[in-house]
Amino acid sequence: GNSVTQMEGPVTLSEEAFLTINCTYTATGYPSLFWYVQYPGEGLQLLLKATKADDKGSNKGFEATYRKETTSFHLEKGSVQVSDSAVYFCALTEPGGYNKLIFGAGTRLAVHP
Amino acid sequence: GAVVSQHPSRVICKSGTSVKIECRSLDFQATTMFWYRQFPKQSLMLMATSNEGSKATYEQGVEKDKFLINHASLTLSTLTVTSAHPEDSSFYICSAVGQTSYNEQFFGPGTRLTVL
Repeated sequence: GNSVTQMEGPVTLSEEAFLTINCTYTATGYPSLFWYVQYPGEGLQLLLKATKADDKGSNKGFEATYRKETTSFHLEKGSVQVSDSAVYFCALTEPGGYNKLIFGAGTRLAVHP
Repeated sequence: GAVVSQHPSRVICKSGTSVKIECRSLDFQATTMFWYRQFPKQSLMLMATSNEGSKATYEQGVEKDKFLINHASLTLSTLTVTSAHPEDSSFYICSAVGQTSYNEQFFGPGTRLTVL
């Protein structure tokens, strides 16, 4: 079946460090791919998305590129801030899946001053 | 932006009792609401999909008589955990899709259920 695999956390970085959170997926067809972020005490928020191969989603300095050949959608940011500390979830919707989201396990990011 | 609330945020109950969790879309009408369950350090697992005015569609392995879902209006869905047991303790999260949100799901902050 369809699934999403994320790197395990927690990821601990100093402010202004480069961030990569790996995400790979297994799916039939061409799913849409998402990154969601959950700040402490809040609901999940859509961070960025990509709907077809080679698309790059970007938002708030974060980027991820839909790589069909490696079935990956790694999240990157060039310079993290303390305010980026949160849990990040990679997810996909199945083609024709009526908006059903399949999530990865989530990766906790802690950024220190 | 679109805001989804959940109530209560945290509930503790005794084994055998029933607990109701509310999910509300505050500033938009939700054509579809989803209910997820999240175990510690694990993924969100979709439990069911509910559409206003119709019966919920449950995912495989989810007991519909155990987890009752009612989507009575375009702004409210409720999840009732009936005869709760300690293994039902979990974090329950809802999301809602609006009529004009282009299928984007907006998530509530979640409800922590602890069954003693």
